[in-house]
Formats: sequence, structure tokens, C-alpha cells
Amino acid sequence: QKEVEQNSGPLSVPEGAIASLNCTYSDRVSQSFFWYRQYSGKSPELIMSIYSNGDKEDGRFTAQLNKASQYVSLLIRDSQPSDSATYLCASKGSARQLTFGSGTQLTVLP
Amino acid sequence: NAGVTQTPKFRILKIGQSMTLQCTQDMNHNYMYWYRQDPGMGLKLIYYSVGAGITDKGEVPNGYNVSRSTTEDFPLRLELAAPSQTSVYFCASQDGGGTDTQYFGPGTRLTVL
Repeated sequence: QKEVEQNSGPLSVPEGAIASLNCTYSDRVSQSFFWYRQYSGKSPELIMSIYSNGDKEDGRFTAQLNKASQYVSLLIRDSQPSDSATYLCASKGSARQLTFGSGTQLTVLP
Repeated sequence: NAGVTQTPKFRILKIGQSMTLQCTQDMNHNYMYWYRQDPGMGLKLIYYSVGAGITDKGEVPNGYNVSRSTTEDFPLRLELAAPSQTSVYFCASQDGGGTDTQYFGPGTRLTVL
């Protein structure tokens, strides 16, 4: 069974710090990975996608992928209280199906 | 564009009742999905569709049924509701082209008592 595992959390960081969120996956065939942000009571929204080994940066967010280690991470620099949410890691399978991890709840303390 | 809409927002069912969760998208997306999210958990795929008339099971299909007669609509049917089906249900859609973004509806919170 394909699995995506995430840090159980919750994770708390002070405002302005770097938040580091980690994810491992079991399906070696997976080629595409995604980070979704979900505010409490809301639906998930895509914030980052990554397809190649290495880093991908978008503003304060950096996604990192290591296919050899089957490891994906998300770094949030200069964390803000508005970043407080649950972050879901997902991998893509056939028919563009997504397998989600259980999520890591992040709290950024003012 | 309204994006992906879902109705109802909330529903309480009694054990053994049936209901249909509605999902409509106005983006002309080929791919549509139904997920459920239990408290503190990630999303689990129930059913998906790659186009009108084509549906397939996801990870947790038992107790549910779907149909896709049009590109826009992808209703999810619950037959003989059970307490284990208490969850938040999300519908999502995705373009069949090069983008990988799935757009989610606002969700339906279902309680089975």
C-alpha cells in the first residue's frame, strides 16, 4: 500500500523563525509531490509542487525532494502567525490520484 | 467562476439513512475526486473520475457510490449510513492537461448518529 508519512507534530515556532516540515513516501514510482496548506475548518489549497531532486523556492517557501531517500520537506522562512495551519504532504499516482499524509499542524507564536 | 461547489455544508443523518452529496465544478475539468477527512487525519480518496461516464474506486470506496453523467457534476451517494462515515467530505477537480493543481470544494461535514 502506498503511504505518505509526516511528522506527527504539532510544531510550534516563534514568529520570524524557520519552520521545517518533513515527509517520507513508500512508493518509489511516485514522481510528483505536493504541499497543501489547510486552515482550520477550510479546504486544502496547493502551495508548492516539486518534481525533481533538489530545492524549489517560491517566496518564503522552499520545497526539497530527495528521491533516493524518498524524502520531501517544506521550509517556511520568516514564519508568520498567518502561516499557522495544517500542512499536508501528498504524492501523485496514476490518474493523477493523490495520496496524502496525515498532516503536520504548525503554530507560529507571535 | 465559482470553482468547485458542494452541497450541503452540514448534514446529520441517522444510521441506515441514505443521502447524496452534490459536487459541481465550472472549470471544465476532466478529473474529479471525492475524499474524506477524519479528525486529525489526512485525506483519503473514495472515488475518482477521469471524465464523464468513467469512474473508479479509490482507497476507501466501501459504503459509497458515484456517477458522472456530465463533466460538471460528480455526486457521491451514501447508502445505509453508518457512524464510521462521520467525516468531512471534500470534492476536488483537476484539469486533464499539464497542471497538477487539484481545486477543492469547501467540504460537507457529515455526522451519522
